[in-house]
Amino acid sequence: GESVGLHLPTLSVQEGDNSIINCAYSNSASDYFIWYKQESGKGPQFIIDIRSNMDKRQGQRVTVLLNKTVKHLSLQIAATQPGDSAVYFCAEKGNMRFGAGTRLTVKP
Amino acid sequence: EAQVTQNPRYLITVTGKKLTVTCSQNMNHEYMSWYRQDPGLGLRQIYYSMNVEVTDKGDVPEGYKVSRKEKRNFPLILESPSPNQTSLYFCASSRGRSGANVLTFGAGSRLTVL
Repeated sequence: GESVGLHLPTLSVQEGDNSIINCAYSNSASDYFIWYKQESGKGPQFIIDIRSNMDKRQGQRVTVLLNKTVKHLSLQIAATQPGDSAVYFCAEKGNMRFGAGTRLTVKP
Repeated sequence: EAQVTQNPRYLITVTGKKLTVTCSQNMNHEYMSWYRQDPGLGLRQIYYSMNVEVTDKGDVPEGYKVSRKEKRNFPLILESPSPNQTSLYFCASSRGRSGANVLTFGAGSRLTVL
């Protein structure tokens, strides 16, 4: 069936390094994707989105890349900070399906 | 402040005792949804509603009921809770289901069923 999934359940990076969180999707008709960040004890919050007519979208310290050929998207966080420690989810249009999430831990 | 409010935030109950988790949003959103979050399984959708009096099952609806009598409220009802419904529950809302439909989530309700 259709799914949105993440490659790795956990990611640990050193403060100041760049982080890359990956996500694969199976529905080739998906045309809109959203990344959410969930901090401990809170609900997920919107970070950035991208439409399928784009390959790349940049925000403040975050960049999302979309590769429709292999149905893969990634979230890149530049100069990772302790406040970036959280679980990150990707979601496809309709917000009905989320991946399991990747827990990012930033080491000081 | 635009927000989704869930109550209670924490609840411990016993098997079979009916309970309701309330959800209210102040953004005039049409779309509302309930998710449960379990370790290793991510967010799984229980029920959703695209407007007043319109509700549909998500991926894991068994054991749950919902209602949408008013636009702002979307309560989750567990008629006879069981231990496998012990989980962290999130309510969310958005302007619509198509197009740019970023979800706004509540803070979560942690339910333990003994």
